[in-house]
Amino acid sequence: QSALTQPAAVSGSPGQSITISCTGTSSDVGGHNYVSWYQQHPGKAPKLMIYDVSNRPSGVSNRFSGSKSGNTASLAISGLQAGDEADYYCCSYTTSGIWLFGGGTKLTVL
Amino acid sequence: EVQLVESGGGLVQPGGSLRLSCAASGFTFSNYWMHWVRQAPGKGLVWVSRINTDGNTINYADSVKGRFTISRDDAKNTLYLQMNSLRAEDTAVYYCARAATSLGMAVAALGDWGQGTLVTVSS
Repeated sequence: QSALTQPAAVSGSPGQSITISCTGTSSDVGGHNYVSWYQQHPGKAPKLMIYDVSNRPSGVSNRFSGSKSGNTASLAISGLQAGDEADYYCCSYTTSGIWLFGGGTKLTVL
Repeated sequence: EVQLVESGGGLVQPGGSLRLSCAASGFTFSNYWMHWVRQAPGKGLVWVSRINTDGNTINYADSVKGRFTISRDDAKNTLYLQMNSLRAEDTAVYYCARAATSLGMAVAALGDWGQGTLVTVSS
């Protein structure tokens, strides 16, 4: 049950676009389309941003988008804003019935 | 408004036990799968356990299997996590979370989260 692999940190300037990757295996990310993404600001509870690889819950900005290729999922954020600065976590349901989170990526808006 | 309020955290010695509760309101609790997720200080999210609507499908992370027990009381709209044989590495904020839905159907994601309760395992 190893955590999914994410870059520790990414950064971008306001208005720019960034992408965060999430690499797993054929037993989790690559095995189905149950990948989700969460945003967490310091001291706050996580917030669901993307589910089923590329679907946005109601109320989430369309600047956030998700995709997947093979065993790697990605979260893209366009038009970076100061409020996007947060930690981002991917999560995948697995073929063994458990869930795995990625190690998290700290996004800095320069 | 969906509300999830965790309680029961605190300081416990290694080897001790603690029971966490998560009081749910604002939705029909019995219709939702529920999860526990934890976060050690300064670290990332780690999924702990989930329980289905009738309590017959339960899964645990390997790190807690055999020590933690998830349960639910639909009459009280409450989710529980019984934690036994606690270790220092169990120190974390514990969140309960509700399965997400889309157009009334459950999806494989955690849609609503509580604010968490801190468990500290130390002598």
